[in-house]
Amino acid sequence: QSVLTQPPSASGTPGQRVTISCSGSSSNIGSNTVNWYQQLPGTAPKLLIYSNNQRPSGVPDRFSGSKSGTSASLAISGLQSEDEADYYCAAWDDSLNGFAVFGGGTQLTVL
Amino acid sequence: EVQLVESGGGLVQPGGSLRLSCAASGFTVSSNYMSWVRQAPGKGLEWVSVIYSGGSTYYADSVKGRFTISRDNSKNTLYLQMNSLRAEDTAVYYCARAHSVAGIPDWFDPWGQGTLVTVSS
Repeated sequence: QSVLTQPPSASGTPGQRVTISCSGSSSNIGSNTVNWYQQLPGTAPKLLIYSNNQRPSGVPDRFSGSKSGTSASLAISGLQSEDEADYYCAAWDDSLNGFAVFGGGTQLTVL
Repeated sequence: EVQLVESGGGLVQPGGSLRLSCAASGFTVSSNYMSWVRQAPGKGLEWVSVIYSGGSTYYADSVKGRFTISRDNSKNTLYLQMNSLRAEDTAVYYCARAHSVAGIPDWFDPWGQGTLVTVSS
């Protein structure tokens, strides 16, 4: 059971817009920024969105992030076949000494 | 180029030990927050440990008392010493730099390619 809750799967057709939700609590998302990672099949995770809504250099602007209260979401517009991957949200948790928590991951399928 | 390369994974019996290494290039390990994250086969990501630039270390409850994170500044390398290994520790282990904001760790970037640890008799 992951600390952050994501839907296990999502899907869309090419060109469509899809969103992936991430729900947490006051000690993690409610207190800290949310980051998103993309993991293509057979590869290591890659930073996709940081500080709730910032894109690292090289990430297309089709990807966007937002946060409100104890929830966050990742939106992908103009869906492309190469977007088919697992997506993870993450945040640091202020409980005890502080530690990182991840969502269970959302497997995105491009139909 | 900023890069992380892990090594040291392999097959180990339950109760055994293993030390993972993560060699960094393009930045200085000791000046950064560094973390280990693992992924069991077919499962999601699980944070394991972090070492702050000042040397403080923190662990997930699942590995506390069994794993030790450390670094060798002269080799610009991060380590994870894993003792009393269990079947549930079987996973790909990734090292990652944890960018910090106002002294608090935040996003992980970059990540290494990962090294597989299999705990089985």
